Amino acid sequence: DARVTQTPRHKVTEMGQEVTMRCQPILGHNTVFWYRQTMMQGLELLAYFRNRAPLDDSGMPKDRFSAEMPDATLATLKIQPSEPRDSAVYFCASGSGYTIYFGEGSWLTVV
Amino acid sequence: GNSVTQMEGPVTLSEEAFLTINCTYTATGYPSLFWYVQYPGEGLQLLLKATKADDKGSNKGFEATYRKETTSFHLEKGSVQVSDSAVYFCALIGGTSYGKLTFGQGTILTVHP
Repeated sequence: DARVTQTPRHKVTEMGQEVTMRCQPILGHNTVFWYRQTMMQGLELLAYFRNRAPLDDSGMPKDRFSAEMPDATLATLKIQPSEPRDSAVYFCASGSGYTIYFGEGSWLTVV
Repeated sequence: GNSVTQMEGPVTLSEEAFLTINCTYTATGYPSLFWYVQYPGEGLQLLLKATKADDKGSNKGFEATYRKETTSFHLEKGSVQVSDSAVYFCALIGGTSYGKLTFGQGTILTVHP
């Protein structure tokens, strides 16, 4: 069963620390998304890539967040420095055409 | 721009009751429409989809019909189970959004025995 794999599943870190979340998209999918989910804001699109090229990162706070796809099997989302307001679930999703699949999420708590 | 509006929740039903969760959308072009489900502590799972007007998506007893005239994609199930308790998200990919999903705010469904 093909699936989007995210690591870590859970992360607790102190304010000011760097956090890196990783995603392995489904093989053959050419579009990769990063979403953030919070109770207050719901699902927010942070960034997405097509064929590894960034298409839109307007939803991402540029001063502390960065997203990259070093190769077709790996997408990363980095927060530096982290702040308590970054506490959320971060989802990676990948797709090809109109079918998009989500990973299980990285549950981040910044204390 | 594209937007999706779902009915206010939470929705609480008894087992075997009929379910409707309303979803309307605004989009340019001809969007594709989706319902995703999120169980507690898990990621989003694609429940069903419809890519053109009058298409009916169905899965696990859930159905939704793409109504272009009313710009709607309401989710229905004839007899809900306790295991259907989850958050349901309506979403679309607009004609010019390069595969980017736009989500509604989600509707929490709780089914009691």
